[in-house]
Amino acid sequence: AQSVTQLDSQVPVFEEAPVELRCNYSSSVSVYLFWYVQYPNQGLQLLLKYLSGSTLVKGINGFEAEFNKSQTSFHLRKPSVHISDTAEYFCAVSERDTGGFKTIFGAGTRLFVKA
Amino acid sequence: NAGVTQTPKFRILKIGQSMTLQCTQDMNHNYMYWYRQDPGMGLKLIYYSVGAGITDKGEVPNGYNVSRSTTEDFPLRLELAAPSQTSVYFCASRGQESYEQYFGPGTRLTVT
Repeated sequence: AQSVTQLDSQVPVFEEAPVELRCNYSSSVSVYLFWYVQYPNQGLQLLLKYLSGSTLVKGINGFEAEFNKSQTSFHLRKPSVHISDTAEYFCAVSERDTGGFKTIFGAGTRLFVKA
Repeated sequence: NAGVTQTPKFRILKIGQSMTLQCTQDMNHNYMYWYRQDPGMGLKLIYYSVGAGITDKGEVPNGYNVSRSTTEDFPLRLELAAPSQTSVYFCASRGQESYEQYFGPGTRLTVT
């Protein structure tokens, strides 16, 4: 992937409201797509991944994402957020290159869930 | 099941000092990575390794060195610390047949 763009740096939302975190990428080859979550003072954890098959991918904690090849997007959604979803979310794209796999991370979106 | 472990958790260095950030994984993964995370910048790849004895530069390797003498360990060396190296450092690993990376808890480094 030449670039990964997370369109929102911060997303404030009220508890139990739906949320969408947007991710677009540019690549000329087939890619694998990931969303990771980072809770405060912790490392990144895998939330979900798209490798092939169905374009709608379900992950942990009620999150899902849809791969749209024509729009080169992989937006993350949750129908009803909880306070505990407050974290930073990273979109990542992997593609094959001469050295094997290359992964590029987006700059992150900070989700802040308010009571 | 420890996964990826990193030491130390925190460190303050003076300019010009050196140190080694330790990273160990117990999943028998071939691939290992070092990233730095700066606010609003996401993760930048410093160095990576595809197996014991093989390392290669990532996007931001200047000022760092690595070695990979065993499958489990992938230490990152800072020789002459500079304020620009103040960051949070993450080590990650990946298995041969998987595509996702497993991250350690990070090392928060301040250089003053």
